Amino acid sequence: DVKVTQSSRYLVKRTGEKVFLECVQDMDHENMFWYRQDPGLGLRLIYFSYDVKMKEKGDIPEGYSVSREKKERFSLILESASTNQTSMYLCASSQTGSGANVLTFGAGSRLTVL
Amino acid sequence: AQSVTQLDSHVSVSEGTPVLLRCNYSSSYSPSLFWYVQHPNKGLQLLLKYTSAATLVKGINGFEAEFKKSETSFHLTKPSAHMSDAAEYFCVVSTTGTASKLTFGTGTRLQVTL
Repeated sequence: DVKVTQSSRYLVKRTGEKVFLECVQDMDHENMFWYRQDPGLGLRLIYFSYDVKMKEKGDIPEGYSVSREKKERFSLILESASTNQTSMYLCASSQTGSGANVLTFGAGSRLTVL
Repeated sequence: AQSVTQLDSHVSVSEGTPVLLRCNYSSSYSPSLFWYVQHPNKGLQLLLKYTSAATLVKGINGFEAEFKKSETSFHLTKPSAHMSDAAEYFCVVSTTGTASKLTFGTGTRLQVTL
């Protein structure tokens, strides 16, 4: 069964800490995405990547960065966590071409910043 | 520009009765439309998609949706609800072939009672 795996399901961090959220997919997908999910706001795109070492800002990139050193792995980095970054973070991937807008999601990482 | 509005934040039905989750969209071009489902503590899973072929789209688990251009709607239906359908449902619009241009609705939480 194909998968998008997010290594941490629940994290609790303190304000100012550096946070790494890891995502790995085993489908050989070119595209990978990080979304943030908040109640009443749906999903909002933080960053995405179409290829190794390539990244593009989404709708809410402020306070975040990403890294894609290998095709299968896409990391989200919070350089200095703040309480307003408490949220559910969802990683997704998709193939290129006609299937590019059909996403496969991970189970999510729920981050609490104290 | 594109947008999507899910008209109900919560819907409650009895098991065995029909389900209707409403979605309206706005798009400058011919859209692709999707419904995703998210069960508790899980990632999002694709239910069905519309990409300008048949206007009535059948998805998994007995769900279907009808694209109505004149009404700019893409409502999700199921003839008979099951307890396992209790989840959050997201309507999504895309007017390009790239996943970076997906716009998610704010979600509808479906409750199924005995």
